[in-house]
Amino acid sequence: QVQLVESGGGVVQPGRSLRLSCAASGFMFSSYGMHWVRQAPGKGLEWVAVIWYDGSNEYYTDSVKGRFTISRDNSKDTLYLQVNSLRAEDTAVYYCARLNGEGSFDIWGQGTMVTVSS
Amino acid sequence: SHELTQPPSVSVSPGQAARITCSGDAFPRKFAYWYQQKSGQAPVLVIYQDNKRPSGIPERFSGSSSGTMATLTISGAQVDDEADYYCYSTDTSGNRGVFGGGTKLTVL
Repeated sequence: QVQLVESGGGVVQPGRSLRLSCAASGFMFSSYGMHWVRQAPGKGLEWVAVIWYDGSNEYYTDSVKGRFTISRDNSKDTLYLQVNSLRAEDTAVYYCARLNGEGSFDIWGQGTMVTVSS
Repeated sequence: SHELTQPPSVSVSPGQAARITCSGDAFPRKFAYWYQQKSGQAPVLVIYQDNKRPSGIPERFSGSSSGTMATLTISGAQVDDEADYYCYSTDTSGNRGVFGGGTKLTVL
């Protein structure tokens, strides 16, 4: 079935790095733009980044620009988020989401938790 | 930057209409989308492109947009509709997304 499965989260010290992955299955991954959305504990959803279907363009929210890098490997049907120089305020559940042709996030992963703590 | 403003909470009795607003300067040039999130779950799309309802979403969910405000209406709200609701849109370039702060809907 159509699904997204995130992995790579964990507990990390401030200033360290992680690479989050999002494995896609059940659809033609290379045809869709993909996004990362995060949610801090008890807080609302925050859009983080987007990468176009072919990887030709990527955009970020201001608070992560220069620290996070979104990428994809269409041969592996996998989306990535490299998160560097982590801060306490980056603590959140990170979701990957598929953007369909109508501009909607129609498929979401279950999320992976990143906790930044010393 | 494009910001979306929602009321923090809305409360209605079962069977009443619940209306959740979302204001933003990029409306009406950009579409509004609405997501429902129940506790501990990933969000679910309930309205797209201002007023379209995805397959499987009950007819009591509807959306509208006028000027700089988008509105999600749940006609005859049910206890099962209790959730956080988020509006979403993009900035004027269409390249960056933005969510509203979310509205907690209580039905009791």
